[in-house]
Amino acid sequence: DTGVSQNPRHKITKRGQNVTFRCDPISEHNRLYWYRQTLGQGPEFLTYFQNEAQLEKSRLLSDRFSAERPKGSFSTLEIQRTEQGDSAMYLCASSPGGGGGNSPLHFGNGTRLTVT
Amino acid sequence: AQKVTQAQTEISVVEKEDVTLDCVYETRDTTYYLFWYKQPPSGELVFLIRRNSFDEQNEISGRYSWNFQKSTSSFNFTITASQVVDSAVYFCALKEPGSSNTGKLIFGQGTTLQVKP
Repeated sequence: DTGVSQNPRHKITKRGQNVTFRCDPISEHNRLYWYRQTLGQGPEFLTYFQNEAQLEKSRLLSDRFSAERPKGSFSTLEIQRTEQGDSAMYLCASSPGGGGGNSPLHFGNGTRLTVT
Repeated sequence: AQKVTQAQTEISVVEKEDVTLDCVYETRDTTYYLFWYKQPPSGELVFLIRRNSFDEQNEISGRYSWNFQKSTSSFNFTITASQVVDSAVYFCALKEPGSSNTGKLIFGQGTTLQVKP
């Protein structure tokens, strides 16, 4: 169990640029989640995959955001035309498929995005 | 609406003191799950405990204990004999097994615990 891996750890970009983050979940986990955490707040749900299918998206996920999990393994989160309000920690989590979705989520270290 | 409230933004204690972190939740469902996570300065959220709504027994794990009270919709977390390594942000979270059954969590705002030597 190598844990959930996220890259990069930090990303600084200029407003208007596109950025892409990668998440590698725990290998046997088929559920994958993206969360966003701003300073002083708890994580907020963005989107959820079961295998390669994106089954739920939060209203927080504007049309500038897109997430993929093409082969049901790693996932990418892309933000187009970044805005300063996108500055946050982006957290990825995974969990096993069983247990009716009640299994604990295993989180990665996150990618901290700063938009200047 | 589903909601988790952690009213204590920051708590500071001296090592070896006991400390309780409060969590109050709101949900319409009779079946639900509650979680506590720890977020040290490294940023990774570490799972501490899961409790389902049908199990009101309090749980103890070493210096950690949890008090689940359905009557007051609370799921409080106590650290006994705190240590400097306990310094972190602690999050309470609620998961509702709705029709989508995604397993997504609703987090509280978090409580920052500082344990001073």
